[in-house]
Amino acid sequence: GAVVSQHPSRVICKSGTSVKIECRSLDFQATTMFWYRQFPKQSLMLMATSNEGSKATYEQGVEKDKFLINHASLTLSTLTVTSAHPEDSSFYICSARDRSRGGGSGELFFGEGSRLTVL
Amino acid sequence: AQSVTQLGSHVSVSEGALVLLRCNYSSSVPPYLFWYVQYPNQGLQLLLKYTTGATLVKGINGFEAEFKKSETSFHLTKPSAHMSDAAEYFCAVSGLSGNTPLVFGKGTRLSVIA
Repeated sequence: GAVVSQHPSRVICKSGTSVKIECRSLDFQATTMFWYRQFPKQSLMLMATSNEGSKATYEQGVEKDKFLINHASLTLSTLTVTSAHPEDSSFYICSARDRSRGGGSGELFFGEGSRLTVL
Repeated sequence: AQSVTQLGSHVSVSEGALVLLRCNYSSSVPPYLFWYVQYPNQGLQLLLKYTTGATLVKGINGFEAEFKKSETSFHLTKPSAHMSDAAEYFCAVSGLSGNTPLVFGKGTRLSVIA
């Protein structure tokens, strides 16, 4: 099956620093990638939709200046948490849909997730 | 707008017993429906999905789900629970476009008792 690789899996940083999380589709091209955030024992909340070569679309309430998303190629999207604070600590998960599989019927392939801890 | 409701945040069954995880959806268009499983500190793995055609869908690890349009439901079942089934299960709905994200339910944590 299709593989989405997410790196790093765990990161601990000091308050005020920036952290970059990478999401790669290894064996397929993804024109669209989605970034989710998951709080402990809760569901996945969509943060933004990342389209290759264009600006990301952010969900209401998500600060686009804090969560910078770049989708420079068909296989790579990055999420940068800028000036991180303890309340940004969370589990971030990226996902991608294979562009060769039609429409919304295609499953989303998920990365392994990145656990961010801000001290 | 689409939404998913998972009834029961926590379900506990004995090993070998029937597993039933409930999911109801709301969608203004014909939905695509999914069940995903998540193990601790990991991403999500697809169990099964319904797009069109047969309403009874079989997935991995012995799970299956039935799409019932009249009840707007997509419940997940497994005849006999195994210890390794203990995990978090998410039901999700998607629209028609490839740019449409999945909308997830709140999840149901399945515990399997020996």
